[in-house]
Amino acid sequence: DAGVIQSPRHEVTEMGQEVTLRCKPISGHNSLFWYRQTMMRGLELLIYFNNNVPIDDSGMPEDRFSAKMPNASFSTLKIQPSEPRDSAVYFCASSRPPGQGWTGELFFGEGSRLTVL
Amino acid sequence: AQKVTQAQTEISVVEKEDVTLDCVYETRDTTYYLFWYKQPPSGELVFLIRRNSFDEQNEISGRYSWNFQKSTSSFNFTITASQVVDSAVYFCALSPYNQGGKLIFGQGTELSVKP
Repeated sequence: DAGVIQSPRHEVTEMGQEVTLRCKPISGHNSLFWYRQTMMRGLELLIYFNNNVPIDDSGMPEDRFSAKMPNASFSTLKIQPSEPRDSAVYFCASSRPPGQGWTGELFFGEGSRLTVL
Repeated sequence: AQKVTQAQTEISVVEKEDVTLDCVYETRDTTYYLFWYKQPPSGELVFLIRRNSFDEQNEISGRYSWNFQKSTSSFNFTITASQVVDSAVYFCALSPYNQGGKLIFGQGTELSVKP
């Protein structure tokens, strides 16, 4: 089975530009998470969805950040306008519904490394 | 507030040594999950283990073992006979019981295993 797929893997942009990060979760997983990793703040949850519905976006830093999940196989994280402090690795993760054999494991993508100049 | 503390920022050992990574957590919840994840140099995050707060039984998986002590709010991770391939950043994490994916991560411990 394919894992969580993120694109782009690397993005370099200039301050003020719009950035869109994409994620395809593992088929059959009903929860999707966006995490951000920086040296200063470590790994932090930005937002998560259950069955395509945003459940908790309390980690979204500002109104410049928005996330959508139009269907079970696709999600986007958008930053508009981008700023240098948004430079980070953005991870998407998915998990299967709780049930028999559930381990609680989050399956992470390889991350999208964003650099805002 | 919920918090996870990994006091060891970096640890360096020689191959075949045993090493313990410490994790202390804070939560007011009576039920919760604890996790360990590994981040090798390639950057992806790899799940190692999940524990339920009501199950304090220690666990062993090959060279890995975990010691969960609710009384001290600790969930330590030991690697026995470390290998170079164990070199990575290890994260301890906490989540609410009804939101298993909402992870609060510690700052991570970077383990370097030298040949």
